[in-house]
Amino acid sequence: GDSVTQMEGPVTLSEEAFLTINCTYTATGYPSLFWYVQYPGEGLQLLLKATKADDKGSNKGFEATYRKETTSFHLEKGSVQVSDSAVYFCALKTDSWGKLQFGAGTQVVVTP
Amino acid sequence: DAEITQSPRHKITETGRQVTLACHQTWNHNNMFWYRQDLGHGLRLIHYSYGVQDTNKGEVSDGYSVSRSNTEDLPLTLESAASSQTSVYFCASSESWDRAYEQYFGPGTRLTVT
Repeated sequence: GDSVTQMEGPVTLSEEAFLTINCTYTATGYPSLFWYVQYPGEGLQLLLKATKADDKGSNKGFEATYRKETTSFHLEKGSVQVSDSAVYFCALKTDSWGKLQFGAGTQVVVTP
Repeated sequence: DAEITQSPRHKITETGRQVTLACHQTWNHNNMFWYRQDLGHGLRLIHYSYGVQDTNKGEVSDGYSVSRSNTEDLPLTLESAASSQTSVYFCASSESWDRAYEQYFGPGTRLTVT
């Protein structure tokens, strides 16, 4: 079955540091890939997405590239801020009906 | 603006009681989903619906039920609450015709079963 594996957290960084969160997947067919972010006390919100191989999703300084050859969708940001402290979820969807398969989530803590 | 709301936001109940969590969306989406979030488990799918009168079991459906009588609402019922059902519950909705469409999430309901 479909699955998503994310690096475990928490990841603790200083402000302005470079952030990478690894995400790899196993899927039949050709999935769409998503990164969601959950700020403390809130629901999940879409951060970025990519729907086919070599697509790059980007938003709020975050980027992720859909790598079919390595089945990966790593999230990166060049210079994090304290406001980026949150839990980040990688997810995939393989059919038009909309079921998402989530990774376990990675907590990121950015200190001043 | 379209939105998805959940109520109540916080609920404390006793073991054995029936509890219903509400989810209402104004996106006019066909698909609706219920997840629970627990530390160390990420989000796990409880039930989902692809349209009115359609309901399906997810990976952790035991002890939960849903019904879909209209497009906007998918209430989640815990038939007899157990302490293992203490969790944060999220409702989500999405369009159905393209795998590129994301899910939109509600703010969550924190349920404590004592």
